[in-house]
Amino acid sequence: EVQLVESGGGLVQPGGSLRLSCAASGFSFSSYAMSWVRQAPGKGLEWVSAISVGGGGTYYADSVKGRFTISRDDSKNTLYLQANSLRDEDTAVYYCAKVPDSLGQCTDCKRHFDYWGQGTLVSVSS
Amino acid sequence: QTVVTQEPSFSVSPGGTVTFTCGLSSGSVSTDYHHPSWYQQTPGQPPRTLIYNTNTRSSGVPDRFSGSILGQKAALTIAGAQADDESDYFCLLYMGRGIWVFGGGTKLTVL
Repeated sequence: EVQLVESGGGLVQPGGSLRLSCAASGFSFSSYAMSWVRQAPGKGLEWVSAISVGGGGTYYADSVKGRFTISRDDSKNTLYLQANSLRDEDTAVYYCAKVPDSLGQCTDCKRHFDYWGQGTLVSVSS
Repeated sequence: QTVVTQEPSFSVSPGGTVTFTCGLSSGSVSTDYHHPSWYQQTPGQPPRTLIYNTNTRSSGVPDRFSGSILGQKAALTIAGAQADDESDYFCLLYMGRGIWVFGGGTKLTVL
């Protein structure tokens, strides 16, 4: 059974930093791209970042580019999101999601998210 | 910046059929480039993947959920709506180069 378990959320002051983690199990973590998606209270889903197989490709929404860094440790089956210079508008539940694809060249591309974690809440407030 | 558009809300009677759409502020949605997918979310829960690559149902999704391209938009149709279909529905489009954009979501009321 695929499981994605996020951790690392919490209350942080504006300008502060957090590192979110997503522990994966039940599939070959190193073979798939991964992504972070967030949802502000009462709002819709917002794609935040993605990382390809091997970590050679990293991608960001404009809203977080230059402040957030996505990474992965395939030896620990764990995805990370380092969030710096946090702002009030970064307050959200952060979900990690599995991409059933490498994000490399493909003929039968699957550019969607097939499994989701339960999320971790990040609150940015003074 | 590309905006993905969805109807904010819809109502359907139990047993009825409803179709939501997912469009682009500029241009048409295509299966081969945008790989449209749909997600269902109830309050306090993570999203559930319903449809990917326009019309492929995820494992365990009932066949009353179907996806298509209607004109220039992706579409999600629920046939024979049930009370527990009352949820928020989000579409997701792939924009290339590792970038995705969600639509704003459609809130479905079954009454």
